[in-house]
Amino acid sequence: AQTVTQSQPEMSVQEAETVTLSCTYDTSESDYYLFWYKQPPSRQMILVIRQEAYKQQNATENRFSVNFQKAAKSFSLKISDSQLGDAAMYFCAYRSVNSGAGSYQLTFGKGTKLSVIP
Amino acid sequence: DSGVTQTPKHLITATGQRVTLRCSPRSGDLSVYWYQQSLDQGLQFLIQYYNGEERAKGNILERFSAQQFPDLHSELNLSSLELGDSALYFCASSAGQGYQPQHFGDGTRLSIL
Repeated sequence: AQTVTQSQPEMSVQEAETVTLSCTYDTSESDYYLFWYKQPPSRQMILVIRQEAYKQQNATENRFSVNFQKAAKSFSLKISDSQLGDAAMYFCAYRSVNSGAGSYQLTFGKGTKLSVIP
Repeated sequence: DSGVTQTPKHLITATGQRVTLRCSPRSGDLSVYWYQQSLDQGLQFLIQYYNGEERAKGNILERFSAQQFPDLHSELNLSSLELGDSALYFCASSAGQGYQPQHFGDGTRLSIL
């Protein structure tokens, strides 16, 4: 079974600065997907960024980028020019490419609470 | 707005009781996933339905059951409730079988007193 570990329960960053959230995972599969989700106080899970394991290029979405190190099984999220609206819980998640019975459920880490200091 | 509707938003009940949580997936989505989010366990996958049929089971207790109806809405039934069942229960939907949960609801906060 796959596991996802987020070793930083809480982090803080000054507004306009850059912060990196860490995620490691364990899998025996060679192909898979990795995701970062944001959960603001409103509770809704919002997809921030996605990475396919077969792609060497790191995914980028505006101020959000990842550092994907497949050999190290590491998938960190970098938030540049942090804004007050970035304050939220951030979850790293894993999804298999091939799944029995057509189910592609996500395996989540326990999350990192990010605070943004004005 | 994700298009996924969960009701109720909050539910307070007592140990031993039974509750039903409801989820309407985003229009056009056939697959529904249920997750439980608690402080100690994080987000745990419970069960998935696709077009009315059960597709996968995760860490779902025998006291819990779910179903997906012909109109594609889904219900999660929790019975013989215990204090440890207090959690946020999320429903998520996706367009087809080959997709992970794409659209999440706002969750139902269940508090057991």
